[in-house]
Amino acid sequence: AQSVAQPEDQVNVAEGNPLTVKCTYSVSGNPYLFWYVQYPNRGLQFLLKYITGDNLVKGSYGFEAEFNKSQTSFHLKKPSALVSDSALYFCAVRDMGGDYKLSFGAGTTVTVRA
Amino acid sequence: ETGVTQTPRHLVMGMTNKKSLKCEQHLGHNAMYWYKQSAKKPLELMFVYSLEERVENNSVPSRFSPECPNSSHLFLHLHTLQPEDSALYLCASSQDSVGRNTEAFFGQGTRLTVV
Repeated sequence: AQSVAQPEDQVNVAEGNPLTVKCTYSVSGNPYLFWYVQYPNRGLQFLLKYITGDNLVKGSYGFEAEFNKSQTSFHLKKPSALVSDSALYFCAVRDMGGDYKLSFGAGTTVTVRA
Repeated sequence: ETGVTQTPRHLVMGMTNKKSLKCEQHLGHNAMYWYKQSAKKPLELMFVYSLEERVENNSVPSRFSPECPNSSHLFLHLHTLQPEDSALYLCASSQDSVGRNTEAFFGQGTRLTVV
């Protein structure tokens, strides 16, 4: 079985401060990991993914994520948050040796205040 | 915007109605998915189609019936739904013929309310 945990329902930061959204995963094999963002009344938009190689992955809109195999984590980060980054963020995992199933976390609501 | 279009955007239906959700992708992908998004819960995978064949059905009640007539179109037929079926229904597509590392592209969703 595979699963994703996003331990924080909400993250609040001031504009210009660093933003971190936490994600831990569980798979039986090696993971493919993804981050998506959802703005109000919209579908999910892909931000970045980890497949293999460099543990630090860079994605859209200045976001990056670090894969840590020993901690089974894939935290999303942005050095300087913008008010426009306020949205719902989802982490997802797929087992490299598994089927099509992409398992999502429950999501973290990020609010960036001006 | 993402190449995946869902219609309608909003749907209100009674418990005895029959309606259908439509999804169309313009990305040339060979896999399509239906997800259910309820507040404060992880996205629930409902159905997966690969090359127009259903490859997964996650114990979804029979009042939800998917149809994939070709690789670009996916439908979700709804019949005698319950109020707890009210949710945002998301369609997604991906290119899965070369492995499982490709990201999925999502439509904007259909907000379904069952009254």
